[in-house]
Amino acid sequence: AQSVAQPEDQVNVAEGNPLTVKCTYSVSGNPYLFWYVQYPNRGLQFLLKYITGDNLVKGSYGFEAEFNKSQTSFHLKKPSALVSDSALYFCAVNNAGNMLTFGGGTRLMVKP
Amino acid sequence: SQTIHQWPATLVQPVGSPLSLECTVEGTSNPNLYWYRQAAGRGLQLLFYSVGIGQISSEVPQNLSASRPQDRQFILSSKKLLLSDSGFYLCAWSVDGTSTDTQYFGPGTRLTVL
Repeated sequence: AQSVAQPEDQVNVAEGNPLTVKCTYSVSGNPYLFWYVQYPNRGLQFLLKYITGDNLVKGSYGFEAEFNKSQTSFHLKKPSALVSDSALYFCAVNNAGNMLTFGGGTRLMVKP
Repeated sequence: SQTIHQWPATLVQPVGSPLSLECTVEGTSNPNLYWYRQAAGRGLQLLFYSVGIGQISSEVPQNLSASRPQDRQFILSSKKLLLSDSGFYLCAWSVDGTSTDTQYFGPGTRLTVL
């Protein structure tokens, strides 16, 4: 079985400050990890994924994520937050073909 | 480039009425297709996926069904809607359905059952 936890329902950060959205996972076997963003009443947009190799993955809109195998984590980060980054963020894991399992989501609020 | 369309964008239906939501993908052939439901603006639940025409796998037994009449068309249906069917329905596609494959999502359909 595979599962993902996003321990924070909401993260608040001031514009210009660094942001981190946390994600931990549980899988048997190799973890393939994904981050998506969802704006209000929109579909999910793919940000980045970790398959293998470098633990720091760079993605769209200046986001990056760090894979940590020992801590079973895949936290999403950005050095300087923008107000327009305010959205709902989902972490997901897949090591079972068509079974992409999502976390519960974290709402990011960036205040001017 | 590939694009994915869903319609309608919003739908309000009475309890007991039928449902048909449509998803189409452009710019790719033989995609894997998925239907998800998002309740209360949060978690996503995989409902169905399809690896080819006429091939449907159901992940959650429920009041809904899916069909794939054409390579790039995926339809979500119900004969009689329940209040609990309300939610945001998302269609997605991927290239080959492997564990490393990225799923790309459509804009979604907001369904309200009254």
